[in-house]
Amino acid sequence: GAVVSQHPSWVICKSGTSVKIECRSLDFQATTMFWYRQFPKQSLMLMATSNEGSKATYEQGVEKDKFLINHASLTLSTLTVTSAHPEDSSFYICSARSQGSYEQYFGPGTRLTVT
Amino acid sequence: QKEVEQDPGPLSVPEGAIVSLNCTYSNSAFQYFMWYRQYSRKGPELLMYTYSSGNKEDGRFTAQVDKSSKYISLFIRDSQPSDSATYLCAMPHSGYALNFGKGTSLLVTP
Repeated sequence: GAVVSQHPSWVICKSGTSVKIECRSLDFQATTMFWYRQFPKQSLMLMATSNEGSKATYEQGVEKDKFLINHASLTLSTLTVTSAHPEDSSFYICSARSQGSYEQYFGPGTRLTVT
Repeated sequence: QKEVEQDPGPLSVPEGAIVSLNCTYSNSAFQYFMWYRQYSRKGPELLMYTYSSGNKEDGRFTAQVDKSSKYISLFIRDSQPSDSATYLCAMPHSGYALNFGKGTSLLVTP
């Protein structure tokens, strides 16, 4: 199956700082990448969808100025959490799909803790 | 009403049992159906992917789709403790984003 990596796998930062999370498709070209967040014992919540070279589309209630998404190449998307606060602590997961395909392949996730 | 409904469980079975996991959905436009497995603190892993109605088998896993009833199932034969995880059904809508069920937590006891 297709492989998606995320970096870092775990990050702790102080309140008010920014954190960047990288998502890479290792063996296919990702036309579309998705960013999700997941709270303990809950299902995945879609935050935004990004197509390569285009601005991301954010779900209702997700602050686009707080969660900056860049999808500059067919293998890399980044999520930057700006001015992080403790309530932003969560598990962030990206997924990717290739053109013409409905299957999404997920990264291993990034655990963000804001102190 | 959520577009995809899934019983969260937990479901506990003894090793070797046949497991049946199910989802219902409300949008008749859904054509593609996926099952993901998620271990604790990991990203979901795509297990099965089916198109339209019918069955698909892969090893110990069988995915079944009944579009007339808007009902999909995942069967796991000869369940193993390593199958203990949360199983999520998912269906893509326009724009390719996935509608997920809440996930069913499965525990297979030795």
